[in-house]
Amino acid sequence: QTVVTQEPSLTVSPGGTVTLTCASSTGAVTSGDYANWFQQKPGQAPRPLIYTTTKKHSWTPARFSGSLLGGKAALTLSGARPEDEADYYCLLYYSRAQVVFGGGTKLTVL
Amino acid sequence: EVQMVESGGGLVKPGGSLRLSCAASGFTFSHHGFNWVRQAPGKGLEWVSSISPSSAYIYYADSVRGRFTISRDNAKNSVHLQMNRLRVEDTAMYYCVRILEYGDFDIDHWGQGTLVSVSS
Repeated sequence: QTVVTQEPSLTVSPGGTVTLTCASSTGAVTSGDYANWFQQKPGQAPRPLIYTTTKKHSWTPARFSGSLLGGKAALTLSGARPEDEADYYCLLYYSRAQVVFGGGTKLTVL
Repeated sequence: EVQMVESGGGLVKPGGSLRLSCAASGFTFSHHGFNWVRQAPGKGLEWVSSISPSSAYIYYADSVRGRFTISRDNAKNSVHLQMNRLRVEDTAMYYCVRILEYGDFDIDHWGQGTLVSVSS
């Protein structure tokens, strides 16, 4: 069973920078895994932030960026704001039939 | 404006059935694939099923294969999830999720979800 692992929780200071990662139990994450990142606030549906590892949607704030880092997919937040406090989920596509979410990272801005 | 509205959730006994629907508007429905994704209370996200624009490709998570059936009606701009032999562990918010136009994987919109509760 394929497992996608994220940090359970992270804390960042307002204005600071934090990197969330997304690791695969099968080995290094590559661009072919089409990493997607989502932000979810309490009581809301997830909101897409990043697709195809590095691409931003039109509504994605510039302070968010996606990359590959040390064999993992990564989401970097530069210049954190209080409103960025949320749960963040990554998603990896191993194939059309194997689509796996990470367990999520609870990000605190404090 | 892109809108995807799920319906059909509710309380059902173990072994029962429900049919979820996702009514879409504001875009060319037949250009997009769709996923159903669920989230158990207080838990993370779980991919459930996907369907391609023409219904040629359909896939299921192991946890629901053989019990759930995804379908779509391009004439009515709707996606459905027929859920049979429901289990307590199927209790979750179920989201209709749109894949990028002409894409295979990347997600760009989520509905607000419909809640399914399976309990005796």
